[in-house]
Amino acid sequence: QIQLEQSGPEVKPPGSSVKVSCQASGGTFSNNAINWVRQAPGQGLEWVGGVIPMFGTANNPQEFQGRVIITADRSTATSYMEITSLRSEDTAIYYCARSVSGDYRQMDVWGKGTTVIVSS
Amino acid sequence: EIVMTQFPVTLSVSPGETVTLSCRASQRVGSSLAWYQQKPGQTPRLLIYDASTRATGIPARFSGGGSGTEFTLAISSLQSEDFAVYYCQQYDNWPTFGGGSKVEIK
Repeated sequence: QIQLEQSGPEVKPPGSSVKVSCQASGGTFSNNAINWVRQAPGQGLEWVGGVIPMFGTANNPQEFQGRVIITADRSTATSYMEITSLRSEDTAIYYCARSVSGDYRQMDVWGKGTTVIVSS
Repeated sequence: EIVMTQFPVTLSVSPGETVTLSCRASQRVGSSLAWYQQKPGQTPRLLIYDASTRATGIPARFSGGGSGTEFTLAISSLQSEDFAVYYCQQYDNWPTFGGGSKVEIK
């Protein structure tokens, strides 16, 4: 069964950047879309974007375009999510989650989450 | 963007009761809908996909229904481990989630 291992917590000042990793083990990586979902404190889930490793294509909702960069390295089965120009509103737990196919469908395997705190 | 609206926001129920949660999409999404359960401090867990198909290992007391813009998640004979927040998510277009419905103990 595939597992997704995420990098550790981060504390960053406003205006800086953060890069979070998600490494897959125990299963296929290239054939499935990897999603990034965030959850602000006490709030619901929000899709930040995703990547399809087989094609190397990444997608984001409009509100994150230009500020969130998602990539995938097939050689290490790792996806990365970088957020630039951090704001306090970016404080959240960031999860990576696998879709069951090569597009952004239901998410059946989730990483444990990476806490990102934006604070001066 | 497809907006997903869930109701009720909070539901107080007793163990053993049956609950029905609702999810409405701002435009038709066919059957491209999933439901997740999240307990405090835990990762979301996939319950239902394609509107009505239970994910692997999910008990039969969870059932999903609906299509188009109106969807439901029913939980029969509520057990203590079912008290949690439930989210719907559409994937007909870029994924979007509902705001969640919290099922709490009465």
